[in-house]
Amino acid sequence: SAVISQKPSRDICQRGTSLTIQCQVDSQVTMMFWYRQQPGQSLTLIATANQGSEATYESGFVIDKFPISRPNLTFSTLTVSNMSPEDSSIYLCSVEVKGWNTGELFFGEGSRLTVL
Amino acid sequence: GQQLNQSPQSMFIQEGEDVSMNCTSSSIFNTWLWYKQDPGEGPVLLIALYKAGELTSNGRLTAQFGITRKDSFLNISASIPSDVGIYFCAGQDFGNEKLTFGTGTRLTIIP
Repeated sequence: SAVISQKPSRDICQRGTSLTIQCQVDSQVTMMFWYRQQPGQSLTLIATANQGSEATYESGFVIDKFPISRPNLTFSTLTVSNMSPEDSSIYLCSVEVKGWNTGELFFGEGSRLTVL
Repeated sequence: GQQLNQSPQSMFIQEGEDVSMNCTSSSIFNTWLWYKQDPGEGPVLLIALYKAGELTSNGRLTAQFGITRKDSFLNISASIPSDVGIYFCAGQDFGNEKLTFGTGTRLTIIP
């Protein structure tokens, strides 16, 4: 399995500002994913973070709004840029661990952002 | 895009009752998974299914991969208070690491 730590766990932000969320994993992982969970909703994939290359974004999400870094096999960041109240969500980091089947993801506890 | 619809949306049951929920898709998936999310936590994997018709158990949980590959169900027997939470199904296409999550079923146990 994998232990995933996300920071911050929650934050209240002002409109127009940007916030960077960190995801640290206790072991080297192959795939890292960033999800958004809007209040009372399901999980929507933002992007897949590949080590050593640019992230792959899903339809409706763009790099300018959600820049992602993945400098090594255990760490990634997601920035939510120029925030608006519509960005108020839980942002979840998840990983695929070597030895487990694809799709068997481990999730962090999430970062709950409230934008005023 | 693909959509996974779960039913029911919410359930209110008494402790000890059995629970059944299902997930249907507009398209075929190669893998079905069930996750549970507790308040303030990320989802946790419960069961993974890899073959059409497969029936898999994990303790009091049983899940099946539908023959048509467009649906799956999850049963929980003899529910206990810690079963409270939101259950999400997720589907994965062949050769694609991405998961599509269902709309969720919120389980509440009435004292």
